[in-house]
Formats: sequence, structure tokens, C-alpha cells
Amino acid sequence: GAGVSQSPRYKVTKRGQDVALRCDPISGHVSLYWYRQALGQGPEFLTYFNYEAQQDKSGLPNDRFSAERPEGSISTLTIQRTEQRDSAMYRCASSLPSVATGVSYEQYFGPGTRLTVT
Amino acid sequence: AQKVTQAQTEISVVEKEDVTLDCVYETRDTTYYLFWYKQPPSGELVFLIRRNSFDEQNEISGRYSWNFQKSTSSFNFTITASQVVDSAVYFCALSEAWGSSNTGKLIFGQGTTLQVKP
Repeated sequence: GAGVSQSPRYKVTKRGQDVALRCDPISGHVSLYWYRQALGQGPEFLTYFNYEAQQDKSGLPNDRFSAERPEGSISTLTIQRTEQRDSAMYRCASSLPSVATGVSYEQYFGPGTRLTVT
Repeated sequence: AQKVTQAQTEISVVEKEDVTLDCVYETRDTTYYLFWYKQPPSGELVFLIRRNSFDEQNEISGRYSWNFQKSTSSFNFTITASQVVDSAVYFCALSEAWGSSNTGKLIFGQGTTLQVKP
């Protein structure tokens, strides 16, 4: 079946502009995560959705970053008033629903959106 | 706090050599999960293995094997008879067990770049 898809794959924007990054998870995966990966680093957690509920946004760096998943499927990560330090690879991942406390499933990652802020 | 350390930044081997990638983790949770992901030059993140904290059995999958030792908080990855196609960045990751206050987010190490020369 289809994997996680993200669009756009590449985005170049000027400082101060807003950008919206889209993620379409694997069908049936109700858990959705956003990560940010700087060059030469491992991905860092940004936010988590369980269905449409944003249950953890502790990794969002500041209030310019927001995310939504209104119908429990496609998610959008929005960065307002972009700054050069926002340049990175933004990755989305989805996983099976954790029906039992204490169980975490593997996450499947999309190809990422490479954001460059000039 | 949870942390993953991959002390080896870069490893270079010649094809057919065996290579072990080290991963050391820190967590106060008694239930947790450990993962390995591969990031080939094309950039995607590919899931390799998931292991929970109660299962210390070593696992073998073809040329890949994993050694989980709770006593030393390590989850090392060995590639036997390495091949050029194994060249990639390998990430070790830790996840708290999903539950009422945990989201299963992944905490990644910095990654180890493996170069396999022909």
C-alpha cells in the first residue's frame, strides 16, 4: 500500500513568509508525528496527533509553529513569519493506533519536506 | 530525561567486513522501546527493527543482528559481511511506552555514518 506522503518535497521561501507543509499518513494510522531534522543530526520531535487531537506539542520551538489535523487524516504544519533558522528537513511519521497502554509501534516516515528560508 | 548516544560519528569499512554500530540509551521508564532506522543517501528514513524493554533476546535478520543488553543500557547493531549498499546513516531511537501521558515520540541519537568501500 501507499506509504506516508509529504508535499511539497522542497520549499524555498523568503524570510518573513508563511509556509504550510502537508502530510498524508498511511491509511489506518491514527497516530501522526512531526519531526524536524537539521543537517547531520537525528530527527527531533515537534508534535503528535492521536486522530484529530493534538495531544503533545511540547517540541514546537515557539508560537510561530502550529499544526492541525482536522479530520484525523491529513495534517498540516504551518510556520509563520519564517526565519533562516527554520531551514531544515521536516518529516512526518505515522504509526498504528496504540490500543493498549504500554505499547509503542514503529513509525513510518514520509520523504520529508526540505525547507530553505533565504 | 531520555537520551540516546551514538558515540561513533563515522565508520569506514571495506566490503565483506563485519561492523558494529553502538547505541547507548538513558531512560527512567521501566517500559520502553528501542528502534534502528536507516537513512540511505536518498534521504528517506527506513525502519529496521523495534525491540521492547522486556525482550532481551538477540535478533537476527539476514546479515543484520541486534544485541540488546539492559545491564549496560545498550542496543548495538551488527552488519555481517557488509556490502556497498549498506552505506548510509544509521539512527538508534528510544520511545517511551504509549499511554495516558506518553505519546510514543521517538528520541533519536545523532546517527552513525557508515561507509562501505568496495
